Amino acid sequence: QVQLGQSGAEVKKPGASVEVSCQASGYTFTSYGIGWVRQAPGQGFEWMGWISGDNENRNYAQKFQGRVTMTTDTSTSTAYMELRRLRSDDTAVYYCARSGGSWFDTWGQGTLVTVSS
Amino acid sequence: DIQMTQPPSTLSASVGDRVTITCRASQSIGPWLAWYQQKPGTAPKLLIYKASSLESGVPSRFSGSGSGTEFTLTISSLQPDDFATYYCQQYNKYPYTFGQGTKLQI
Repeated sequence: QVQLGQSGAEVKKPGASVEVSCQASGYTFTSYGIGWVRQAPGQGFEWMGWISGDNENRNYAQKFQGRVTMTTDTSTSTAYMELRRLRSDDTAVYYCARSGGSWFDTWGQGTLVTVSS
Repeated sequence: DIQMTQPPSTLSASVGDRVTITCRASQSIGPWLAWYQQKPGTAPKLLIYKASSLESGVPSRFSGSGSGTEFTLTISSLQPDDFATYYCQQYNKYPYTFGQGTKLQI
């Protein structure tokens, strides 16, 4: 079955960078893209961007332009999301989710990123 | 950005009830809306896409309707497993945006 497995929780200091990985299984990785969505504690969801499985196309939310980079490695069916210049309000659970570029049909388990001095 | 509104933020209901959850968009999004269910500490689960298409494996008591700016998610007969928070998401225009959620509680 389709599954997305994410990397473990991270604790970072303000100004640092974090990279979250998302390994896909159970489908042809290049046939779908991966979206990244975050959820701050007790809050709703915020769409960060989307990348095609073949690493050719990407679209970032303007809010994160210049601070986020999304990539994929087709040899390992893994997607990566790097967020730089972390602030305390970046503390959130970060999810990857499979997407054809619209809705998200399968989600990873989430990765908690805590930004604290 | 397109704002998605889900009034009310909390809805009380009982097992067996028919429940309707509302989602409103700040501008027309056509049928480009999805619904998700989230339980505490877990990832969201897709229920409905394109406003009314039921995701494979989702019980038929869930249905969606609407177009433009007004959408509804209906649960025809609430089951104990359905008590959760429900979110809508528009994918008509970047950045995709979500409603703030409606928590369904007993």
